[in-house]
Amino acid sequence: DTAVSQTPKYLVTQMGNDKSIKCEQNLGHDTMYWYKQDSKKFLKIMFSYNNKELIINETVPNRFSPKSPDKAHLNLHINSLELGDSAVYFCASSPVLGQDNTEAFFGQGTRLTVV
Amino acid sequence: GIQVEQSPPDLILQEGANSTLRCNFSDSVNNLQWFHQNPWGQLINLFYIPSGTKQNGRLSATTVATERYSLLYISSSQTTDSGVYFCAVESGGSNYKLTFGKGTLLTVNP
Repeated sequence: DTAVSQTPKYLVTQMGNDKSIKCEQNLGHDTMYWYKQDSKKFLKIMFSYNNKELIINETVPNRFSPKSPDKAHLNLHINSLELGDSAVYFCASSPVLGQDNTEAFFGQGTRLTVV
Repeated sequence: GIQVEQSPPDLILQEGANSTLRCNFSDSVNNLQWFHQNPWGQLINLFYIPSGTKQNGRLSATTVATERYSLLYISSSQTTDSGVYFCAVESGGSNYKLTFGKGTLLTVNP
């Protein structure tokens, strides 16, 4: 059973298009995240949600809009895609901060290529 | 925010060799994790280790929280160990997010 799954795995699209990436976790975690990995492999937080509530928005452009319909899902919608949005996007989940073990688990990543 | 530095940035080994990867961080942490990103891009959890020592097969890790560093030991390396190793931390001042180091790119040659 996949713990954190995101779809699609690969996404190639033209500039200006709108696209969505879906993420689901079956670990019963309260907190979910989106991370971006750039071409130099650097991983940086974009958004954190706790119990469907936005906790962190790390200076991400408004074109990126996360949506959490329930605790197990966190989707990422991107409007008006730009060349610079090309990257690998990772979804992750963890238990809520304050518990003894806050280990985070990551999905397999979505490689977005904007042409 | 918290700073995370990993060393060395690159490491090339012959199969069977041992290695030590280091992670320094600038503040106290609630969470410290080591990940292996394999050549297919998957981020694989190696250790959740905010303090103490853990071992899993040929891999072990030690975090000395009071001195703000963690070490990942790889013994008898295999070609399948190749990839990027990331250290990531969550600190009291940066709740609800992991801050990653830039990683160590490990290449194990046969």
